[in-house]
Amino acid sequence: EVQLVQSGAEVKKSGESLKISCKGSGYTFTSYWIGWVRQMPGKGLEWMGIIFPSDSDTTYSPSFQGQVTISADRSISTAYLQWSSLKASDTAIYSCARLYCTRTSCYFDYWGQGTLVTVSS
Amino acid sequence: QSVLTQPPSVSAAPGQKVTISCSGSSSDIGNNYVSWYQHLPGTAPKLLIYDNNKRPSGIPDRFSGSKSGTSATLGITGLQTGDEADYYCGIWDSDLRGVFGGGTKLTVL
Repeated sequence: EVQLVQSGAEVKKSGESLKISCKGSGYTFTSYWIGWVRQMPGKGLEWMGIIFPSDSDTTYSPSFQGQVTISADRSISTAYLQWSSLKASDTAIYSCARLYCTRTSCYFDYWGQGTLVTVSS
Repeated sequence: QSVLTQPPSVSAAPGQKVTISCSGSSSDIGNNYVSWYQHLPGTAPKLLIYDNNKRPSGIPDRFSGSKSGTSATLGITGLQTGDEADYYCGIWDSDLRGVFGGGTKLTVL
């Protein structure tokens, strides 16, 4: 059974750093892209970026380029999303998801449970 | 503001049918396959439709998808109270850049 299990909720202060995780199991972790999605309070889903754990090839949404870093450790089947200096506006639920791609299409087929990040000013 | 436009909300009575639209352009929907996701607050989003009109295993045939030109539509028949959720369309381009629609809140009256 494919599972993506994310790290627990975080409460941080503005300016602090943070790294949240997403551990995959039940499939070959290095064979699929993993993506991150943000949902701010009362807002919709926003695609942040993806990483291919086999070689750490990464693609970011222009909205998030330079704001976060996506990484992966294939030895422990885990992807990460990190901030070097959090802002109050980073308060959101962050979800990871597996990107299933064929030759012609891609879609998120499995999702993590989400990690709530709360940043106080 | 997403480049994929969805109505903020739709509503219908139990047992009825509802459609949710997702409007884009030739550079997004027009040239890529559309997927749809159901998101109940506090739970992980669920894939409902992929490749415009295909259902993953376990998704009932009450859910359907279609695409025409630069627009896509999610249809739900035989509405149930458990269908109350937020629904999102999404696409990925050839550079693997993704985008979601703004989301539509479905209320089953």
